[in-house]
Amino acid sequence: AQKVTQAQTEISVVEKEDVTLDCVYETRDTTYYLFWYKQPPSGELVFLIRRNSFDEQNEISGRYSWNFQKSTSSFNFTITASQVVDSAVYFCALFGDNNDMRFGAGTRLTVKP
Amino acid sequence: DSGVTQTPKHLITATGQRVTLRCSPRSGDLSVYWYQQSLDQGLQFLIQYYNGEERAKGNILERFSAQQFPDLHSELNLSSLELGDSALYFCASSVVPEGVHEQYFGPGTRLTVT
Repeated sequence: AQKVTQAQTEISVVEKEDVTLDCVYETRDTTYYLFWYKQPPSGELVFLIRRNSFDEQNEISGRYSWNFQKSTSSFNFTITASQVVDSAVYFCALFGDNNDMRFGAGTRLTVKP
Repeated sequence: DSGVTQTPKHLITATGQRVTLRCSPRSGDLSVYWYQQSLDQGLQFLIQYYNGEERAKGNILERFSAQQFPDLHSELNLSSLELGDSALYFCASSVVPEGVHEQYFGPGTRLTVT
């Protein structure tokens, strides 16, 4: 069975702090994909990144970076120098062989000025 | 703006009723996915259609059904509604049938069952 765990329900930081959102997954598939989505207060889901199971390279996009470690089944997301606009719920998701996108419970990030 | 449209934005109905949610995918996208987001269950994948055919099924109840029409828009039908069906229903689209490419989400339809 596939499972995604985001143990941090809520995180609160002050602007300019760095923050890491944790994601741990379980799957028996050898080929799978991991995603991060952002859900701002307006409600829509915004795609942030996709990573396949064969590519363990870390990725950086501006203030965002992702650390994929297959050995620990983790796909963590770091925001550097956080801003108020980063306040949102962030979802980690796993897509496996059965064409099923499985989402974690989400982490609500609040960035205070 | 993702390019995916959903109507209506809000829907309030009573238990036992039936409703239809509509989704138009991004131009050129052949795949449509439906998700339910509720406080109890979180974000759950319901069903996927690709070019008119059902492609994958998730945690969709038997009271729920969906279809994708020749113009590629999709409808999600919810019947015999219960209080627990109150949720935000998202539609997403992607170009290819496999969900491995990013899915673009619509703004959602908020369903309230009273």
